[in-house]
Amino acid sequence: KAGVTQTPRYLIKTRGQQVTLSCSPISGHRSVSWYQQTPGQGLQFLFEYFSETQRNKGNFPGRFSGRQFSNSRSEMNVSTLELGDSALYLCASSLEPGRGDQPQHFGDGTRLSIL
Amino acid sequence: GDSVTQMEGPVTLSEEAFLTINCTYTATGYPSLFWYVQYPGEGLQLLLKATKADDKGSNKGFEATYRKETTSFHLEKGSVQVSDSAVYFCALSDQGQGGKLIFGQGTELSVKP
Repeated sequence: KAGVTQTPRYLIKTRGQQVTLSCSPISGHRSVSWYQQTPGQGLQFLFEYFSETQRNKGNFPGRFSGRQFSNSRSEMNVSTLELGDSALYLCASSLEPGRGDQPQHFGDGTRLSIL
Repeated sequence: GDSVTQMEGPVTLSEEAFLTINCTYTATGYPSLFWYVQYPGEGLQLLLKATKADDKGSNKGFEATYRKETTSFHLEKGSVQVSDSAVYFCALSDQGQGGKLIFGQGTELSVKP
C-alpha cells in the first residue's frame, strides 16, 4: 500500500512569491492534515481537511490556505512568502479525523526554502 | 490549552544501553497519546500509540504506558541499537479537536557503537 506522497520534495522561492504544495493521502484515507516543522517552533498544526471541508485550523496567518479535492488529495498554498516561511511542510492522512485508534501517517514532507 | 513536554536532548547512549525519554502532557479531555520517530531527511513514522489510561503501546522493542495519574507517556527501550538514532516526538490528540496533533519539542537520540 503506497504511503502519503508529497510533491515536490524541495522547493526554492523568493520573498513575495506564492507556492502550492501537494499531498496524496494513503488510499482510502479521507482526512488530511498539514504541519509546519521549523527548528525554532517545532511541529505546528496548520489545518485539517475531511470530505473537502476544513475542519480545524491552527494559528497561522491568512496567507496560509488549503483545500481538499473529491479524491481526498490536498493542496496547501502560501502567498506573499516571507523568510520565516522556510520550513519542512508535512502532510498526514488518516481514515477519519479525531480517532485515536486510527493514527495519522505522515509523508516525507516538502522542504521549502525562501531566499 | 493542551501541551506536551519532552525531556531535552540530545541524548547520547552506547549500544545496548537502556533508553528512557520522558514525556508529560496537559489536556482538557481524554487524549490519545503517540510516539513518532523522524530519521534524517524523512517525515514522521508512527512508533506506538495508546488511546486510554493504563494502555501500553509497544513496537520494535519500544514501550510506553499511558499514565493518567501522572499525565505521562514515557518511552522506553531495553537495549538500543545504532539504527535507533533519530529524533523522537511525543504527541497527543484530544477529543473534540479532530485529528489535530500537538507535539512535544522532540528529543534527539544518538547511539554510539
